[in-house]
Amino acid sequence: QKEVEQDPGPLSVPEGAIVSLNCTYSNSAFQYFMWYRQYSRKGPELLMYTYSSGNKEDGRFTAQVDKSSKYISLFIRDSQPSDSATYLCAMSDNNNDMRFGAGTRLTVKP
Amino acid sequence: GAVVSQHPSWVICKSGTSVKIECRSLDFQATTMFWYRQFPKQSLMLMATSNEGSKATYEQGVEKDKFLINHASLTLSTLTVTSAHPEDSSFYICSAKELLGQAEAFFGQGTRLTVV
Repeated sequence: QKEVEQDPGPLSVPEGAIVSLNCTYSNSAFQYFMWYRQYSRKGPELLMYTYSSGNKEDGRFTAQVDKSSKYISLFIRDSQPSDSATYLCAMSDNNNDMRFGAGTRLTVKP
Repeated sequence: GAVVSQHPSWVICKSGTSVKIECRSLDFQATTMFWYRQFPKQSLMLMATSNEGSKATYEQGVEKDKFLINHASLTLSTLTVTSAHPEDSSFYICSAKELLGQAEAFFGQGTRLTVV
């Protein structure tokens, strides 16, 4: 079993839809949870960063962490074609190790 | 967010030659830098972790004599692919953390290496 599981998709939605991206994990030591957006042939860009459980909102993006279920989510409201990218979840314990999900390819169609 | 600059963004080299990739933190001092490799449509694979002034820690299966990592200063780490072969062709990405134990990492733009 991988430490971090993420459905690679691809996921295709119409413009304006609410997008839900998810990851599950097995290591209960993870306390820091991140979502990165990666456009083709570019480095990942940090979108959201959450410590421990709870919700965090930033504009159209909401990150949720449920440590009891070892499950994290990223919601994108009013999705735009410019949101089309690969979204990677990442998580870390108190040390330097950061583990990534496989990434979900999202396409938002106009 | 913090800026990490990676250079070059793409490079083509002949088999048997060496290629150096630079990773710079532009507006912060990076105590820790990471090097990843990414194949098409796959996630990031951690190759090694380097702390300024000390030897890099390589992940299992990564040849340290082939992928030389130097983290000589708090703003610069380099990855040298030695005696490159076509199977080394990949997308290489660095990331950097400012503080020891900080979870957030910021990524460079990536370097696409093609070995012919």
